[in-house]
Amino acid sequence: AQSVTQLGSHVSVSEGALVLLRCNYSSSVPPYLFWYVQYPNQGLQLLLKYTSAATLVKGINGFEAEFKKSETSFHLTKPSAHMSDAAEYFCAVILSGSARQLTFGSGTQLTVLP
Amino acid sequence: GAGVSQSPSNKVTEKGKDVELRCDPISGHTALYWYRQRLGQGLEFLIYFQGNSAPDKSGLPSDRFSAERTGESVSTLTIQRTQQEDSAVYLCASSLRSGYGYTFGSGTRLTVV
Repeated sequence: AQSVTQLGSHVSVSEGALVLLRCNYSSSVPPYLFWYVQYPNQGLQLLLKYTSAATLVKGINGFEAEFKKSETSFHLTKPSAHMSDAAEYFCAVILSGSARQLTFGSGTQLTVLP
Repeated sequence: GAGVSQSPSNKVTEKGKDVELRCDPISGHTALYWYRQRLGQGLEFLIYFQGNSAPDKSGLPSDRFSAERTGESVSTLTIQRTQQEDSAVYLCASSLRSGYGYTFGSGTRLTVV
C-alpha cells in the first residue's frame, strides 16, 4: 500500500535560514507527489507537484522539491525563510496509473523565528 | 466559478442531528473529492467522484456518512445522527482529471456539541 511519511511534526527556523521539510513515500512505482501549504483557517494551496518529468520541481513562493527515487524522498526546501512562510505543510502522493485519491502525510508545522 | 466553493464555512450542530455540507467544484472539473481534517491531524480521504462513474466510497468512516454528486456539478456530503467525533474541517477538492492538480475549497468547520 502506498503511504507518505513526514519526518518532524514541528520545524522551527530563523528568518533567512534554510527551510527543509522532509517527505518519504513507500511505493515500488514512482508516484505523483505533491506539497501543499495550509495557512491558519484556510484551505490547502498547491505549492508544487512531481509528475515524472524533471526531478527538481520549482513551486510558488520560492519553494522547490527534488524527487530522489533511490531515497524514495521528495523533500521540500526554500533557501531563505520568510515570516510569511509560517504555516502547515503537507506532502501527498497519488500512485501513478491508479485511481486517484491523494494520500496525505500527517503534516509539518513550520515556525519562522524573527 | 474561479475556485472551489464550500458552504457553510462554519456549522455548529447538536449531537444526533443530521447535517449537509455543500461543495461547488470548479466548472469543468470531472473529479471531486471529500476529505476530513481533525484538529491537529492530516487529511483523511472520504469519497471520490469521477464523472458519471460509481463513486469510490472506501474512505467513509461509517454508514452515517453519505455523499451525492449530480453529473459534474455540486456535491453534498451528509452526516446523519452526528457524534462529537465528527467534529472536524471537511474539505472538498476538484480536479480536471484524476491524478492531476487538485484545487481545495476553504472547508466547512463542523462542531458537534
